[in-house]
Parts: sequence; C-alpha cells; structure tokens
Amino acid sequence: EAEVAQSPRYKITEKSQAVAFWCDPISGHATLYWYRQILGQGPELLVQFQDESVVDDSQLPKDRFSAERLKGVDSTLKIQPAELGDSAMYLCASSAGAEFGYTFGSGTRLTVV
Amino acid sequence: RKEVEQDPGPFNVPEGATVAFNCTYSNSASQSFFWYRQDCRKEPKLLMSVYSSGNEDGRFTAQLNRASQYISLLIRDSKLSDSATYLCVVTPNQAGTALIFGKGTTLSVSS
Repeated sequence: EAEVAQSPRYKITEKSQAVAFWCDPISGHATLYWYRQILGQGPELLVQFQDESVVDDSQLPKDRFSAERLKGVDSTLKIQPAELGDSAMYLCASSAGAEFGYTFGSGTRLTVV
Repeated sequence: RKEVEQDPGPFNVPEGATVAFNCTYSNSASQSFFWYRQDCRKEPKLLMSVYSSGNEDGRFTAQLNRASQYISLLIRDSKLSDSATYLCVVTPNQAGTALIFGKGTTLSVSS
C-alpha cells in the first residue's frame, strides 16, 4: 500500500530555535496538505499545495512558519523561531482528489521546551 | 457555530455493544463526507466515506442526512480493537479546498 513519508517522527527543540519537517506524498498525488493537530483537537489545515503552488495558506502563521514544495513532489515545513505553543503533531497528507479522502503520513510530533 | 461538531465523549461501552456517533456540519453546500479513525498518538486513517444513500462496511454503517446536516456512524458488535477516536470530516463548498475535521469522538470498548 502506498504511503506518505514523513520525517522526523519526533523532534524536541528549544524555543526560539528553527525546526523543519519533511514530507514525500504518494507518487502521482498532486495535492499535498500540512495539518497541525494539538492534543485533544482535530487536525487543522496549515497549508495546501497543488503541484508546486500554494492553494491555501490562510491559517499558516506566516511570521514564523513557511512551507515549500519546489518541484511539486516533496515538501518542507519550517518553523523559525519555535514557540512553546507550537508543540503539536504535524501531519502531512496527500490526495488524488478531495472526494477520495486523504492519506496521512505518520506525522512529526514536535515538543518545544 | 463551528463547521464540524462532534460529541467528544468518551463513550465507554462493553464488548458486543452497539454504539452510534453523530456529527453536525454547518455548511449546507458540503459535498463529501468521511469518517476517519485515529489511534492514540497515531495518524488519522480513512475508515469510510459517507454516501447520500448510506453505506455499510462489515460492522460499520455510515449515514448522511443532508436536510438536518448531520452524519452518523454506527458500530455493531463492538470489539476491543475499536477503541479509538473517530473523526468526522467534511469538504467545504469550494471545490478543491481542504477537508475540515471535527475534534473527534473517543470510544473505549472494555471486556
């Protein structure tokens, strides 16, 4: 079964440091999403890509977060500087079309200390 | 009003019980609906799509009521392995926009 690859699985960083997460979607999936999930909440969209273009980044805190998908395949999400409130699970997902649902990667669990 | 609302639970049921979850959504133009399952500290996984005519997959039945804007998930003959959080998911009205997730309903099945 095709998978969405994410790394690292776990990341502990000090506040004010920079941190980056990587995602490789299922081959052929043009749409890629980054979600953030705080414990006890549902996933919330940070950014959506269609190929290399950003479709929706309205909920991305752009003063500290950035995302790119330069060649329309894998993607990187960066936080600089990290804050305590950024501690969460960061999930990447890809889709062949929203009507089919998404496939999520295993996520990156970020702890900011 | 939040876009997708679920009773967070927890629902605590014995093995073999039947349990039902409901979810309401605010956007009447929403087109696609799903239930996802999420185990503790794992990623969400697609459980089933929800069709207008309703659909069944083994012990799981999903139904959609567009008039009342709610979705339901029924689990029959609960197993210990059904213990998880169940996320209700809808698409907003704009084609190509991202799925919106509810906060999830937690189910705990005990022996």
